[in-house]
Amino acid sequence: AQSVTQPDIHITVSEGASLELRCNYSYGATPYLFWYVQSPGQGLQLLLKYFSGDTLVQGIKGFEAEFKRSQSSFNLRKPSVHWSDAAEYFCAVGAGSGAGSYQLTFGKGTKLSVIP
Amino acid sequence: ETGVTQTPRHLVMGMTNKKSLKCEQHLGHNAMYWYKQSAKKPLELMFVYNFKEQTENNSVPSRFSPECPNSSHLFLHLHTLQPEDSALYLCASSQDGAQPQHFGDGTRLSIL
Repeated sequence: AQSVTQPDIHITVSEGASLELRCNYSYGATPYLFWYVQSPGQGLQLLLKYFSGDTLVQGIKGFEAEFKRSQSSFNLRKPSVHWSDAAEYFCAVGAGSGAGSYQLTFGKGTKLSVIP
Repeated sequence: ETGVTQTPRHLVMGMTNKKSLKCEQHLGHNAMYWYKQSAKKPLELMFVYNFKEQTENNSVPSRFSPECPNSSHLFLHLHTLQPEDSALYLCASSQDGAQPQHFGDGTRLSIL
């Protein structure tokens, strides 16, 4: 079975600083990888996804993530954080269920606080 | 507007009540999902429906009963819940195959 580890529960950065959120996964085959963001009182919004091809993927809101198979990682980065980026971020790995849909396994999330 | 609408947004109920959560997706997707989000725990997949057929049931207690009358609507019927069932219940949908899931804003459920 697949699993996802987000080692940082809470990260605080200053506005304008760079950001990297870590994600490590365990999965026996080529994974489908996702980053989602959740603002308070809201559902999850997809930031970006990796299915295949270029290992550096671009997402919305200026985020990018790099898939490193050798390290089983899919870290999320942003060069300059804005106050509106304060939220909780979830990494997820997807696996087909063999019935036309697939299951996402989520990490526990990293809460990002931004200091003005 | 996320394309996935959940009602109600908040629900408070006693342990003996019966209530239902509703989810509607306007994205033309074929698969729908129920997740439970509790504090300090990863999102837990509860049920998966694909083309109205239940394809996954992740050992969810029978006090949770899903219903999927068509590909656009998904319900979660609740009865005789326990305090530990208090959580945010999220609905999601996706196109069939390995496509990203789109989430609603959830229903915050509190059991008294």
